[in-house]
Amino acid sequence: DTGVSQDPRHKITKRGQNVTFRCDPISEHNRLYWYRQTLGQGPEFLTYFQNEAQLEKSRLLSDRFSAERPKGSFSTLEIQRTEQGDSAMYLCASSLGTVNTEAFFGQGTRLTVV
Amino acid sequence: QQQVKQSPQSLIVQKGGIPIINCAYENTAFDYFPWYQQFPGKGPALLIAIRPDVSEKKEGRFTISFNKSAKQFSLHIMDSQPGDSATYFCAASMGGSNYKLTFGKGTLLTVNP
Repeated sequence: DTGVSQDPRHKITKRGQNVTFRCDPISEHNRLYWYRQTLGQGPEFLTYFQNEAQLEKSRLLSDRFSAERPKGSFSTLEIQRTEQGDSAMYLCASSLGTVNTEAFFGQGTRLTVV
Repeated sequence: QQQVKQSPQSLIVQKGGIPIINCAYENTAFDYFPWYQQFPGKGPALLIAIRPDVSEKKEGRFTISFNKSAKQFSLHIMDSQPGDSATYFCAASMGGSNYKLTFGKGTLLTVNP
């Protein structure tokens, strides 16, 4: 499968714990995006990378959230001191970053904070 | 502030019907308008997209109609099938398809056999 891969698919954690998600984009895609989707809502933009550079962060990305993309390949999204409000689907997408190319989404990581 | 408003929230049609989902946007800087289909437990998948220099685009059974002056666009699904039952999201972006997307809240479509 050469699509966008996310790991884990599901994560249940206790409030206050730290969690880390991984995204492997389609190879050769230099743009990588993170979105968050809560039940009954559309995805909301969190941040995006051009290669290893993080170019934009949403106001949704509080200081408890950090994203990295070392070497411009895979990316990680870490949430520190999780809160119940962090429960959501975290989606990763990647694109070639050239004109008229679409972004492909992974299947997401479903986070439940109990 | 919700920049892309989508309606209806849910829609039920019979097989062969033509569901229509509508979206309205506020930001005139948007220049790329895609529609995504999402099945439970899956990520969104691009169905069809349009740019504001055309008023209609058709791909297979899916058609986007775009009204730039009204800042509205809609998705029509011809000859709908039970397999089309999914959640549909409209979205918009500035700077083409290579920039962040602003999504509507989604429409849950059910196509009955």
